[in-house]
Amino acid sequence: GAVVSQHPSWVICKSGTSVKIECRSLDFQATTMFWYRQFPKQSLMLMATSNEGSKATYEQGVEKDKFLINHASLTLSTLTVTSAHPEDSSFYICSARDGTGVDTQYFGPGTRLTVL
Amino acid sequence: AQSVSQHNHHVILSEAASLELGCNYSYGGTVNLFWYVQYPGQHLQLLLKYFSGDPLVKGIKGFEAEFIKSKFSFNLRKPSVQWSDTAEYFCAVNGNTGKLIFGQGTTLQVKP
Repeated sequence: GAVVSQHPSWVICKSGTSVKIECRSLDFQATTMFWYRQFPKQSLMLMATSNEGSKATYEQGVEKDKFLINHASLTLSTLTVTSAHPEDSSFYICSARDGTGVDTQYFGPGTRLTVL
Repeated sequence: AQSVSQHNHHVILSEAASLELGCNYSYGGTVNLFWYVQYPGQHLQLLLKYFSGDPLVKGIKGFEAEFIKSKFSFNLRKPSVQWSDTAEYFCAVNGNTGKLIFGQGTTLQVKP
């Protein structure tokens, strides 16, 4: 149980284009999802917290207009990287919390974004 | 502000050696503590967690961790490592914000 999927697993795009990444909780309902960014050989940096049906809460320094987050249902959150640039190339990971009161996050496999 | 510090950035052990990875956190209130593992090419998996109760927590694959409140520590241990334990290990904490704060990670390399 507690499986989180991400799609796509990797994507290459041209500079200036937008890319959408999906995060799904497959066997539970996630009232809260989180988006992280991980640089090579580094830890995870929380970008934003996504609550179903409300606006995402962004961490300091994260541009909300660049990283658009939508959490339209209890099983799906999307991250759209708008007008992507090479510096946005990274590994993006989502996690989901099942809201049962046991405060554990389950992580997706991540999406490798490369912006040319 | 909450922070998590992992003392060992890169650990190299031979098979059957014992493992202890240090983790200290900075937060004055009640915390939940986690250890996650990321095997090469795979996603983060939960090894173990501490919310309350017995400060010695047992997780999957023979790992355990001990919460020492007075030292703000949550060190990960395994008595005998295997080559398959080669991975990146992350300590994480969440307090009243519900957000997970991760340590820098420790790369464990086990030589066969």
